[in-house]
Amino acid sequence: GNSVTQMEGPVTLSEEAFLTINCTYTATGYPSLFWYVQYPGEGLQLLLKATKADDKGSNKGFEATYRKETTSFHLEKGSVQVSDSAVYFCALSGNQGGKLIFGQGTELSVKP
Amino acid sequence: NAGVTQTPKFQVLKTGQSMTLQCAQDMNHEYMSWYRQDPGMGLRLIHYSVGAGITDQGEVPNGYNVSRSTTEDFPLRLLSAAPSQTSVYFCASSKRQGAWEQYFGPGTRLTVT
Repeated sequence: GNSVTQMEGPVTLSEEAFLTINCTYTATGYPSLFWYVQYPGEGLQLLLKATKADDKGSNKGFEATYRKETTSFHLEKGSVQVSDSAVYFCALSGNQGGKLIFGQGTELSVKP
Repeated sequence: NAGVTQTPKFQVLKTGQSMTLQCAQDMNHEYMSWYRQDPGMGLRLIHYSVGAGITDQGEVPNGYNVSRSTTEDFPLRLLSAAPSQTSVYFCASSKRQGAWEQYFGPGTRLTVT
């Protein structure tokens, strides 16, 4: 079945450091891929998405590229801020849409 | 637009009690779903609905019931609460088109003692 694997957390970075959170997936067909962010005490917000191979999703300085050859969708940001501290979830939805499969989440803590 | 709303925000139940978690959306989304979030496990799909009158089971449906009588509302019922149902519950909705981007509610934190 479909699955998503994320790098373990927590990840602790200093402000302005480069961020990479790894995400790999297993899926049949051509899934859509997503990154969601959850700030403390809140629900999940869609951060970015990609719907086909080689698509790059981007938002708020975050980027991720849909790599079918390596089945990956790694999240990157060139310079993190304290306000980026949150839990980040990688997710996919299969051909039938709707049903999201989530990774276990990666907690990011950015120190000033 | 209020988006996706959930009530209550917090709830404590005793084992064996029943309750309903409420979810409503005002975006005219056809698709609605319920997830539970547990530490280290991400979110797992409980039940979902592709439109009024249509529901189906997700990955972890046991112990939960749903119904969808209107487009706007999608309540989740716990029939006889168990400690294993202690979790944070999220409702989500989306249009049935494109990438089916899902919008999440703020969550309900449920503790079963």
